[in-house]
Amino acid sequence: AQSVTQLGSHVSVSEGALVLLRCNYSSSVPPYLFWYVQYPNQGLQLLLKYTSAATLVKGINDFEAEFKKSETSFHLTKPSAHMSDAAEYFCAVSLDTGRRALTFGSGTRLQVQP
Amino acid sequence: DVKVTQSSRYLVKRTGEKVFLECVQDMDHENMFWYRQDPGLGLRLIYFSYDVKMKEKGDIPEGYSVSREKKERFSLILESASTNQTSMYLCASSFETAIWGYTFGSGTRLTVV
Repeated sequence: AQSVTQLGSHVSVSEGALVLLRCNYSSSVPPYLFWYVQYPNQGLQLLLKYTSAATLVKGINDFEAEFKKSETSFHLTKPSAHMSDAAEYFCAVSLDTGRRALTFGSGTRLQVQP
Repeated sequence: DVKVTQSSRYLVKRTGEKVFLECVQDMDHENMFWYRQDPGLGLRLIYFSYDVKMKEKGDIPEGYSVSREKKERFSLILESASTNQTSMYLCASSFETAIWGYTFGSGTRLTVV
């Protein structure tokens, strides 16, 4: 079975501070990993994805994530938080190319303080 | 702009009613999905479909059924709505495999009273 764990249901940072949202997965085969963002009263949007190419993946709005096989992690970072980054963030995993469905983590709500 | 459209943004139904949630995509995607989203639980897969008239159960199919008669439309059916089905329901679609990621609708917030 595949699973994904997001550590911290709520994270609060100051505007301009580093954002770090944690995601760990369990998998016996190389996974495909995704980060999605959900703004209030909206559906989810794709931020970035890892599909076995470069381990450091860059996404929209200056977000990036690094795939670390040894740690089974895919943490999301942004060097400088902006007020507009306040949202809920979901990590998701798909184990292999034949698997059509994504399994999502429980989500992390990011608050950005002025 | 490509879209996944869910027919209702908010819905209030009574216990025992049969409820239909509709989802339409205009991207010619093979796969369509229904998730429910609850605080602290993230998104949980109810059903998905990889072709017309084809469906597979997700992690929480009990109390739900689905219908896909046309490629662009995927319906979620609550056979007899119960209060524990009060939730946000999200529809998504994708090309052949999840490697391409999903496109999500805006969601339907269903309240069963």
